Amino acid sequence: SQQGEEDPQALSIQEGENATMNCSYKTSINNLQWYRQNSGRGLVHLILIRSNEREKHSGRLRVTLDTSKKSSSLLITASRAADTASYFCATVNTNAGKSTFGDGTTLTVKP
Amino acid sequence: NAGVTQTPKFQVLKTGQSMTLQCAQDMNHNSMYWYRQDPGMGLRLIYYSASEGTTDKGEVPNGYNVSRLNKREFSLRLESAAPSQTSVYFCASSEARQGKNYGYTFGSGTRLTVV
Repeated sequence: SQQGEEDPQALSIQEGENATMNCSYKTSINNLQWYRQNSGRGLVHLILIRSNEREKHSGRLRVTLDTSKKSSSLLITASRAADTASYFCATVNTNAGKSTFGDGTTLTVKP
Repeated sequence: NAGVTQTPKFQVLKTGQSMTLQCAQDMNHNSMYWYRQDPGMGLRLIYYSASEGTTDKGEVPNGYNVSRLNKREFSLRLESAAPSQTSVYFCASSEARQGKNYGYTFGSGTRLTVV
């Protein structure tokens, strides 16, 4: 089964609002990564948070990690129509370098 | 532009035909990966190569073979295509350190249809 599972599956908001997506996982991780995928394109790496970090920022992105709950959240502030995409979390577990991806959250930002 | 290059971008095969998907990266990354993505789903790992000269099975390896030709190139072969292999295939590379991956760079994908 997939290690990372995103929630919600789909999210629709107005431009300017904040968007929050969650990711849950099952085993110990070395790090957790978030990716964006525009329709018909490959995935683009957004941000990585290590297992000993609790929060990380990159521009309008804020990622949190709670290893006790085995969950992470991605917050996009002041969303734009260009943020419309699918967002995936990927977990790198402690014992292997390869990642496991969830099924993604599809975000639609209405202008 | 630096990155991961996949060819072809689109392919239609008849059941039973074979083909090889090519992937090359110019970032001097140690590790390379092949994923498939089915509609509305995330990526599932087919095979990966942690370093030149090594390959390992991922989550869904059946029906596929791979070759790590050199540090830059990692190919995926379908020996006898089946309709269940209709999918979008992504190649990725990463600079894994001590066995830990710190972020992938993905190619733009190959859309494969098996009829």
